[in-house]
Amino acid sequence: KQEVTQIPAALSVPEGENLVLNCSFTDSAIYNLQWFRQDPGKGLTSLLLIQSSQREQTSGRLNASLDKSSGRSTLYIAASQPGDSATYLCATGANDYKLSFGAGTTVTVRA
Amino acid sequence: EPEVTQTPSHQVTQMGQEVILRCVPISNHLYFYWYRQILGQKVEFLVSFYNNEISEKSEIFDDQFSVERPDGSNFTLKIRSTKLEDSAMYFCASSSGTAPEKLFFGSGTQLSVL
Repeated sequence: KQEVTQIPAALSVPEGENLVLNCSFTDSAIYNLQWFRQDPGKGLTSLLLIQSSQREQTSGRLNASLDKSSGRSTLYIAASQPGDSATYLCATGANDYKLSFGAGTTVTVRA
Repeated sequence: EPEVTQTPSHQVTQMGQEVILRCVPISNHLYFYWYRQILGQKVEFLVSFYNNEISEKSEIFDDQFSVERPDGSNFTLKIRSTKLEDSAMYFCASSSGTAPEKLFFGSGTQLSVL
């Protein structure tokens, strides 16, 4: 059974600093990996999806890398802003499209 | 951008009552899912649905749960006799089934069982 772990559980940084969020998973036979953003009491917004054959994906200030062999993914957020404050979830996808989620990293960006 | 719509946003019910949570997936999507998140816990998979039948379900999805696509647009989750431990945020999701298989999630229904 896939286990997804996210470290740290919480992170507080001043505005402008770069954020580094880590995700590890136990079963490297993944189909893809998605990073989501969750605001309090709200749904999940997909940020980036990395296919198993890819090493990274970029969207604006966000960059996600994937190292399948070591079971790790990292989400980088450049030049953080207070609006980036949220919980970030990592989820691995199997070939049946079922996702296994980590517990998330709650980010606070201080103005 | 198209989105997945869920109703209601909040549902309060008494233990033992039946509830139906409703979802309208993105119109050209073929795969549908229910996930739930108990407060303070991970988002967990409940069930996936394709071609009008369940393709996979978790251990959580016991006989008290059922899903249905009653027409071409709605996707519902029914809990027959709610328990206190069913209190959670329930998320509906859909995907097109073609690469990349990004899942699109709705904003959730917060179910409170009293």
